[in-house]
Amino acid sequence: DGGITQSPKYLFRKEGQNVTLSCEQNLNHDAMYWYRQDPGQGLRLIYYSQIVNDFQKGDIAEGYSVSREKKESFPLTVTSAQKNPTAFYLCASSTTPGNSPLHFGNGTRLTVT
Amino acid sequence: GESVGLHLPTLSVQEGDNSIINCAYSNSASDYFIWYKQESGKGPQFIIDIRSNMDKRQGQRVTVLLNKTVKHLSLQIAATQPGDSAVYFCAENIRSGGGADGLTFGKGTHLIIQP
Repeated sequence: DGGITQSPKYLFRKEGQNVTLSCEQNLNHDAMYWYRQDPGQGLRLIYYSQIVNDFQKGDIAEGYSVSREKKESFPLTVTSAQKNPTAFYLCASSTTPGNSPLHFGNGTRLTVT
Repeated sequence: GESVGLHLPTLSVQEGDNSIINCAYSNSASDYFIWYKQESGKGPQFIIDIRSNMDKRQGQRVTVLLNKTVKHLSLQIAATQPGDSAVYFCAENIRSGGGADGLTFGKGTHLIIQP
């Protein structure tokens, strides 16, 4: 079965700690994305990567960092600099950015207290 | 203080009726549009897409209509079922980066199916 796996499904952290969210895909897609979703709102782009070893900031990159060392993997680190980290985080991938659908994982719900 | 999230538009329909969910998109340069369905606690799931050279596209129980003149997209779901209850998002392909940086998503409509 091809797809995107995000782990863990739920994550709890204390304020001031960095935390890394995992995203793995076996769809052989070049492009990968991280979105943040808050209650009652649409998806906002955090970071994206079109190819291995390259990534770009999205609309709300402050307080986040990513890496893309392998085609299959695009982990997201939520740093202590992110002022409002509690949210639902979605990872996605696509074959042809802008001309094909994004395929999403089932998300990680991060709660920071 | 307490932050209050935005309330999603809600559409309530009787089971078996047809549903129409509307979306106004923002960029006249967008040429690819997608509808997603998101169930609670899950990621968005692809429903149907349409390119700007088409006005209508049909899938299984779903139809997407595109009106480029008024930048309007709609999703019609025939004979709605309880499993159709979800939040529905439209998305367009043009962002500031010209398309390679993902999709622009609408805020979503919550579809509720009444028994």
